[in-house]
Amino acid sequence: DIQMTQSPSTLSASVGDKITITCRASQSIATYLNWFQTKPGKAPKLLIYSAINLESGVPSRFSGGGSGTDFSLTISNLQPEDFATYFCQQSFSAPQAFGQGTKVEV
Amino acid sequence: QVQLQESGPGLVKPSETLSLTCTVSGYSISSGYYWGWIRQPPGKGLEWIGSIYHSGNTYYNPSLKSRVTISVDTSKNQFSLKLRSVTAADTAVYYCARGILLDYWGQGTLVTVSS
Repeated sequence: DIQMTQSPSTLSASVGDKITITCRASQSIATYLNWFQTKPGKAPKLLIYSAINLESGVPSRFSGGGSGTDFSLTISNLQPEDFATYFCQQSFSAPQAFGQGTKVEV
Repeated sequence: QVQLQESGPGLVKPSETLSLTCTVSGYSISSGYYWGWIRQPPGKGLEWIGSIYHSGNTYYNPSLKSRVTISVDTSKNQFSLKLRSVTAADTAVYYCARGILLDYWGQGTLVTVSS
């Protein structure tokens, strides 16, 4: 099974900051990497799919990069609504494992 | 607009079977996509449980495979999850979602395993 490792587990930031979260796969997954945002009491939301593609309706301050085993999620000009927990997930093969999550806090 | 809604008991006794159904509206399951289940224990991360295609082809997480069955009822536009022999470790919010990309999700339902 492919394992996904995210870093950092917690990230402290302020409104207006630019932040980057990284995700590493235990083997190459090409660009089969997706990013999700979760907030308490709400369903997870797909932000980025296939490593770099912005899901419809997601603000352009979110961007994704990487291929193979190393990936990143960048949020430019952090907004108050962006304080949440972010998960990467590989969709290269079953089981579609998630990273352990990165909590972005004030 | 595609919508998914989980339903089922919120409390299950240890050693019994957890059963949940996901009702899909705004899209016909028969038209395609895999349909999956994901869970999130309180205070923990997301765990992919498994998925099913409208034809019945399934994929399961090996860590749960011996206890899980996912089925589909295209006539009702629903798919279901059964998790047998549950323990407290199976307490979680259970979500259903569409596709490999998980682009649409249900709101989630908390299932507590307790006597």
